Amino acid sequence: RKEVEQDPGPFNVPEGATVAFNCTYSNSASQSFFWYRQDCRKEPKLLMSVYSSGNEDGRFTAQLNRASQYISLLIRDSKLSDSATYLCAVNMNTGGFKTIFGAGTRLFVKA
Amino acid sequence: SAVISQKPSRDICQRGTSLTIQCQVDSQVTMMFWYRQQPGQSLTLIATANQGSEATYESGFVIDKFPISRPNLTFSTLTVSNMSPEDSSIYLCSAAASNQPQHFGDGTRLSIL
Repeated sequence: RKEVEQDPGPFNVPEGATVAFNCTYSNSASQSFFWYRQDCRKEPKLLMSVYSSGNEDGRFTAQLNRASQYISLLIRDSKLSDSATYLCAVNMNTGGFKTIFGAGTRLFVKA
Repeated sequence: SAVISQKPSRDICQRGTSLTIQCQVDSQVTMMFWYRQQPGQSLTLIATANQGSEATYESGFVIDKFPISRPNLTFSTLTVSNMSPEDSSIYLCSAAASNQPQHFGDGTRLSIL
């Protein structure tokens, strides 16, 4: 089992739709969690951190469920510019701090 | 967040040669990492670059193939040695404070003929 797993998609949604991505992690000692956005042929860029209490940034909402070991990202009112790959990332300290990334979920928002 | 400069941005190399990629961070950071990303694939961690000591390599990656240096808190290099077409990929440097989100350089697109 991979340490961090995501549904690869692709998700094809119309503008204005709400779309949700999930990500599961296997190491219960994981310490912090993030969502990144990666555009084609570009480096990943931090979208938002994920907190146990849940957090919101405009149209984006992230949730963490430690008991079930998953994180989620909700995008409301999708825009064409939201089309990208969304990567979840998990920080863990297993004899040394490192970040493990999911394979990414591809999102296409169409007019 | 830290600004990370990586160079070269791309290169085309002959098989059997080696290439060194440089990564410069504009502020002192605790952690620096090197990743590889094949087209359409996920990020794969190659190693953690440790200041003043040998890098910590992930399973499947070895120092002879991917020697890494980190002489100070703001600079690291990754060398891809004795390259073969299978090494064609994007190589990404990242930096972070401990348990904080990572920030990436623009990446180096490497093609091996």
